[in-house]
Amino acid sequence: AQSVTQLDSQVPVFEEAPVELRCNYSSSVSVYLFWYVQYPNQGLQLLLKYLSGSTLVKGINGFEAEFNKSQTSFHLRKPSVHISDTAEYFCAVSVTGTASKLTFGTGTRLQVTL
Amino acid sequence: DGGITQSPKYLFRKEGQNVTLSCEQNLNHDAMYWYRQDPGQGLRLIYYSQIVNDFQKGDIAEGYSVSREKKESFPLTVTSAQKNPTAFYLCASIQPGGKNIQYFGAGTRLSVL
Repeated sequence: AQSVTQLDSQVPVFEEAPVELRCNYSSSVSVYLFWYVQYPNQGLQLLLKYLSGSTLVKGINGFEAEFNKSQTSFHLRKPSVHISDTAEYFCAVSVTGTASKLTFGTGTRLQVTL
Repeated sequence: DGGITQSPKYLFRKEGQNVTLSCEQNLNHDAMYWYRQDPGQGLRLIYYSQIVNDFQKGDIAEGYSVSREKKESFPLTVTSAQKNPTAFYLCASIQPGGKNIQYFGAGTRLSVL
C-alpha cells in the first residue's frame, strides 16, 4: 500500500517570498505523483504531476516540484508567492497503471500575508 | 464546457434520513470516485467505479451506497447508518490514458440538522 506524508499542516509566508511545501511518500512499486490545490469550499484543481521522465516538473501558477526517488520526496516550490496562492495544497500518489486509486496526504494550508 | 457537476452545493440531513448526492460528468471518463473530506484528514475514498454497472468499496464505505447505471452519473447515498455524515464530499473522474489524472467536481457540503 502507498502512503503520503505532508509534514507541515500550515505554512505562513509573506507575499513575494519563496515557499516550499514538503511531501514524502512510501511505496514498494513505481508511482505517479500529483499536487492539487483547493480554494475554500471548492473542489481540487491539478497543479502538476510527475508521471515519468524529467524529475523537475512545472505546473500552473508558477509552481514546480522535484521528484527525488532516493529520498521518496516530491516537494512543491514557488519562488515568489502571491496573496492569491492562499489555499490548501494536497500531495497524492498512485501506483502506475490504469485507473489506480489516489492516496492523499492530509494537506498543507498555505497562508500568504502582506 | 466539459466538467464534473455536483449537486446540491449544500445539503442538510435529518436524523434517520437517507440523502443522495448527485455527480454528473460530460468528459466521457470511464472511472469515477467519491471522496469524503474532513478537516485535517485529507481525502478518504468512499467508493469508486471503473465501468458502468460495477463499483468497489473504498476505505470508508460503511454507511454509504452508490450506483452506476450510466457512464455519466455516479450518485452517492448517505444512509442513516452513517452516524457522522457531516463532511465535504467530492466526486472525481479519471482521464482515459492510464495516467490516473483525476478531475474533481466543486463538492457538496453535508450537514446534520
